[in-house]
Amino acid sequence: KAGVTQTPRYLIKTRGQQVTLSCSPISGHRSVSWYQQTPGQGLQFLFEYFSETQRNKGNFPGRFSGRQFSNSRSEMNVSTLELGDSALYLCVSSIGQGGQETQYFGPGTRLLVL
Amino acid sequence: AQSVTQLGSHVSVSEGALVLLRCNYSSSVPPYLFWYVQYPNQGLQLLLKYTSAATLVKGINGFEAEFKKSETSFHLTKPSAHMSDAAEYFCAVSAFNQGGKLIFGQGTELSVKP
Repeated sequence: KAGVTQTPRYLIKTRGQQVTLSCSPISGHRSVSWYQQTPGQGLQFLFEYFSETQRNKGNFPGRFSGRQFSNSRSEMNVSTLELGDSALYLCVSSIGQGGQETQYFGPGTRLLVL
Repeated sequence: AQSVTQLGSHVSVSEGALVLLRCNYSSSVPPYLFWYVQYPNQGLQLLLKYTSAATLVKGINGFEAEFKKSETSFHLTKPSAHMSDAAEYFCAVSAFNQGGKLIFGQGTELSVKP
């Protein structure tokens, strides 16, 4: 089975621009989550989608948004980029429920904002 | 609110020595607990998870962790370190009633000396 795919793997943007990151989950997985990883803040939960509906959201400003398509692929968008948005963005594909989900992490998209 | 604390941001051991990475959690409900490993420029890989079955959980690559409710701990151990174990390790708790959301500790970087 193919793993979680994230594109692009690396990205350089400038302040004020917007960016869209893409994630393809493992086939059959209907839940996709996104995390931001930075040296200072560690791993922080952005949001989770299940069957095209946002099921949960972290404490990030409205500049961060996401969506999930009918084939479970997901995108996240960051508008009006700030220097502090430089991070590794990790997509997670999961199956299961009730807190016992088995989570599969993608390799991440490394975003650098200049 | 649930939280995870990893004691020691850096741990260094000699090859062949015992690996002990510490994790304490805070949760008002029985938690589901996880250990993940992250190698440079990669996503996170699940080492093991505790979901209220056996308190001693065996994972991949010779790692195991013991759930101790009285100490609110879930320390990760490996009897004999290998050079390939050098990586960053994250302890996480599944957020109660929040789908697949994980709350992560700050991570512990493990170095293995020859």
